[in-house]
Amino acid sequence: GESVGLHLPTLSVQEGDNSIINCAYSNSASDYFIWYKQESGKGPQFIIDIRSNMDKRQGQRVTVLLNKTVKHLSLQIAATQPGDSAVYFCAGKKVGNTGNQFYFGTGTSLTVIP
Amino acid sequence: DAGVTQSPTHLIKTRGQQVTLRCSPISGHKSVSWYQQVLGQGPQFIFQYYEKEERGRGNFPDRFSARQFPNYSSELNVNALLLGDSALYLCASSFGAGNSPLHFGNGTRLTVT
Repeated sequence: GESVGLHLPTLSVQEGDNSIINCAYSNSASDYFIWYKQESGKGPQFIIDIRSNMDKRQGQRVTVLLNKTVKHLSLQIAATQPGDSAVYFCAGKKVGNTGNQFYFGTGTSLTVIP
Repeated sequence: DAGVTQSPTHLIKTRGQQVTLRCSPISGHKSVSWYQQVLGQGPQFIFQYYEKEERGRGNFPDRFSARQFPNYSSELNVNALLLGDSALYLCASSFGAGNSPLHFGNGTRLTVT
């Protein structure tokens, strides 16, 4: 079946270092991916998206890499700041789905150490 | 600009009761989706509506229903509440029905006792 998942439930990094959060997906999981950030007591916040015809996309301090060969997605955060501490989810939209149904991973909790 | 707004923010209900959750999308967005998020897990898809029509339904029992109004706001109804329905219910809006990002509200925290 379709699924996305995250490699590590928790990640701790020093302030100023780069963070890498990983995600894997199943065969037919997605042709469109989104990374979300969720802080305590809030809903998921859109960070960046990427379509399956792309390998890389950059935003402000964030980069998403898509490796379709090994069905792997990563989110890189440059110069991690305390405000980046949150749970990060990757979400994949089901291939062939004409709607906007997304499968979410279980999340990686990022802690930034000052 | 206002984001996705949901009401109420918190709700406590008893088993067997019924609940209605409300959502107003971002202005200009025509699609509304509902997700359930159990503590410690990622959101799970419940419904999507676009232009007042159901575009998708997740693996949830018939106790769950939803609708979208002409102004694109939406309601999620859950009947015969079970303890396992306790969760954060998230509403998300998007401009289109297909490959467009979801923008989430802060959710309604439902506790069933």
